[in-house]
Amino acid sequence: QSLLTQPPSVTGAPGQTVSISCIGSAGYDVHWYQQLPGRAPKLIIFGNNNRPSGVPYRFSGSRSGSSASLAITGLQVEDEADYYCHTFDPNLTSWVFGGGTKLTVL
Amino acid sequence: QVQLQESGPGVVKFSETLSLTCNVSGVSVNSQIYYWSWVRQTPVKGLEWIGYIYGGGSTRYNPSLHSRVSTSLDESKNQFFLELGSVTAADTAVYYCARSYCAGDCSFDFWGQGILVTVSS
Repeated sequence: QSLLTQPPSVTGAPGQTVSISCIGSAGYDVHWYQQLPGRAPKLIIFGNNNRPSGVPYRFSGSRSGSSASLAITGLQVEDEADYYCHTFDPNLTSWVFGGGTKLTVL
Repeated sequence: QVQLQESGPGVVKFSETLSLTCNVSGVSVNSQIYYWSWVRQTPVKGLEWIGYIYGGGSTRYNPSLHSRVSTSLDESKNQFFLELGSVTAADTAVYYCARSYCAGDCSFDFWGQGILVTVSS
């Protein structure tokens, strides 16, 4: 069972902004991945708030203390996917993932 | 362009050893910059990091799997490998190989497409 807590699901309409929380990080950087149906996860935010090349500006991340957040502005239908946060857990001495959040774009 | 591709048997018998290969292109597995990881995914446990091997050959494993896991790499073939012993039904999962890049802390910046491995009785 993941020690990083994410909401199971979020919903938004095209053009809206949604935010996905990730609670339980222990002071290490948080990274975010997008997983489209049937595909491998894809890195969309690293080091709390950095976008890899090619990731749209609509995706942004932030972290404060043990909480991190992924925001998606100007929602598009193709953003419908599962989103996972990831960090290092010093208690487990292991990299860990959140349980994932399913984003539905209505 | 960096690409990773998993290969191996799709079915492994209970109590035997799961062995997977990750073919890497576009970057050398012997690079001292990257860590080469295995991650698996199940509907019940979600994403779970299994372990990594570093270009210099050092390894690190998830403590929950440490006693059953081994990773290695072959620089000449630009591949790295996973072995997971004494498998049970709980090891049925999609297994991904991934590259870890550490700018400060480490993220998985490139992933293979994944391979479904089923443990049969």
